[in-house]
Amino acid sequence: GDSVTQMEGPVTLSEEAFLTINCTYTATGYPSLFWYVQYPGEGLQLLLKATKADDKGSNKGFEATYRKETTSFHLEKGSVQVSDSAVYFCALSSGGSNYKLTFGKGTLLTVNP
Amino acid sequence: DAGVIQSPRHEVTEMGQEVTLRCKPISGHNSLFWYRQTMMRGLELLIYFNNNVPIDDSGMPEDRFSAKMPNASFSTLKIQPSEPRDSAVYFCASSLAGANGNTIYFGEGSWLTVV
Repeated sequence: GDSVTQMEGPVTLSEEAFLTINCTYTATGYPSLFWYVQYPGEGLQLLLKATKADDKGSNKGFEATYRKETTSFHLEKGSVQVSDSAVYFCALSSGGSNYKLTFGKGTLLTVNP
Repeated sequence: DAGVIQSPRHEVTEMGQEVTLRCKPISGHNSLFWYRQTMMRGLELLIYFNNNVPIDDSGMPEDRFSAKMPNASFSTLKIQPSEPRDSAVYFCASSLAGANGNTIYFGEGSWLTVV
């Protein structure tokens, strides 16, 4: 079945540091890949997505590239801010008749001033 | 545009009581999902509907849980009787299946505490 593995946290960085959160997946066919972010006390928000191999999703300075050869979708940001502190979830949707999202366990990011 | 709307946002109830969580999906979306989030188990898909029909309810924990979608703009998740281990955040989400890479949009959650 489908599965998503993301690096375990927590991750603690200083402001302006470089961020990488690793995500790898197992899926049948050609899934769509997503990063969701959950700020404290809030629901999940879509951060970025990619629907086919070699696509790059980007939003708010975050980027992730769909790598079919390594089945990965790592999240990166060149310079994090305190306001980026949140839990980040990698997810996939296999599409076709299977519309549900399969989530990773989430990675807590804390950015200190 | 209005997003996915859930109510109540917060509920505290006593063990044994019935709990009903409500959800209004984004207008035009034809898939609806109920997720549960806890520290121990992370995000779990409980059930999802397509065109108001339950497609996969394999994540529903037990018979105490039931979900309905009487029309395209409303769904309920009911727990009867509730137990302390049901304390969690329950998210409703919706999507337009087959469109936009199957992007799923979440509500802000219903934070349930059973004492």
